[in-house]
Parts: sequence; C-alpha cells; structure tokens
Amino acid sequence: DAGITQSPRHKVTETGTPVTLRCHQTENHRYMYWYRQDPGHGLRLIHYSYGVKDTDKGEVSDGYSVSRSKTEDFLLTLESATSSQTSVYFCAIGRDTEETQYFGPGTRLLVL
Amino acid sequence: AQSVTQPDIHITVSEGASLELRCNYSYGATPYLFWYVQSPGQGLQLLLKYFSGDTLVQGIKGFEAEFKRSQSSFNLRKPSVHWSDAAEYFCAVPLYGNQFYFGTGTSLTVIP
Repeated sequence: DAGITQSPRHKVTETGTPVTLRCHQTENHRYMYWYRQDPGHGLRLIHYSYGVKDTDKGEVSDGYSVSRSKTEDFLLTLESATSSQTSVYFCAIGRDTEETQYFGPGTRLLVL
Repeated sequence: AQSVTQPDIHITVSEGASLELRCNYSYGATPYLFWYVQSPGQGLQLLLKYFSGDTLVQGIKGFEAEFKRSQSSFNLRKPSVHWSDAAEYFCAVPLYGNQFYFGTGTSLTVIP
C-alpha cells in the first residue's frame, strides 16, 4: 500500500468553525489531490497540487483552501465550515498527471 | 460536456455468477481509463487501468476490462463473483491532464 495517512480520521465540528485536514505521504510523489465523496456524486476533486507551493482548483473548490509547504504534506482548510461540507474527504497522490492515483483512508467530517 | 457515466447505481449478483459493470465516457480523444474498488469504510484501491495497446486489460482479484472505442466504453468484468467482491466500483478518467473525473459508482451486492 502507498504510504498515505490522513488526519484526523473522524471529526465533528460546528458551523462557522475553521477545520484543517492533513494528508501526509511517504512516497515522494509530486502530485497530491483532495477529493470529497458524497452519495450520488462519486468523488469530486476539490484542489490539487503539482509541487511545493503549487496548487490549483478542482471542480468543487468553493469554500476550501489548500497549502503545500513540503512535498509530503498537503493541507485542506475549510475556513468557515458549513453543513454542506459534511462529507468524506480523500487524499490521493500520483507520480504524474494521468497516472495512477493512490488514495488515503479518508476523513469523515460532520458539520453540525 | 466531457464526462464519465456509470449507468448502474446498484447491481446484485449471486456468488459464482458472472459480473459486468458498465462505464461510458464522453471525451474527444482516447483517454486513459481506470477502475477502482472501494470496500466499506475504506479508501479506493486500483483494480486495473488502460493506457494503450491491448484493449483487454487484466487487473487484480480476477477482474478484467475491455476498452471499446466505438462504444466509448470500458466495462469491468469478472467471470465468477466471490462474496468478498461486494463493494463499490468506480470508473475514472483523467481529463484535462491533472484532473481525474470519477463516475458516480456502482454498488455491488453478492448473494450467497
């Protein structure tokens, strides 16, 4: 299994509070991705990174920001959580574009 | 619009029966194509991928998929399903280089 960890694995928070999710990899892959998974929608890309300090928006980026200060860490921040951001969040890594993405175990977030 | 479609939301098969999960894509060029599997509470695991060459691709756990350009399809098959194959299956296509688009998934139930 690819060395990808996500923390926390579960989180309950209240509307309006900031939340940061962390993805850590030990594979030295250049590309890192954040997805959310919701019933009926599959996985949707939030943001991705193609190198340290290099990030770009995905399909559903509104309300989310990311940062990547080291190759191994990719942070996803919800500046002010809303109930619509209740979801399961997955981090993925890849060596290059269009190549296989390897997924972390996910973070289940509940916004009350 | 370019997209990935999995027409079957849920499929139920008997253990030992054959399985085919459908995936259709809408894309101008021949894309790379992936199938992932997600067991309950887990992240996504790569089953197989098609990049080029032989249109019949073998994957892990006895799965195979066939790319048919004329039908814009990449259907996943298994000749004999095991109870442990019960999971959710996602077809994915990397479009626009950096972004993977996932189908909405097909949930597989296996009856003993």
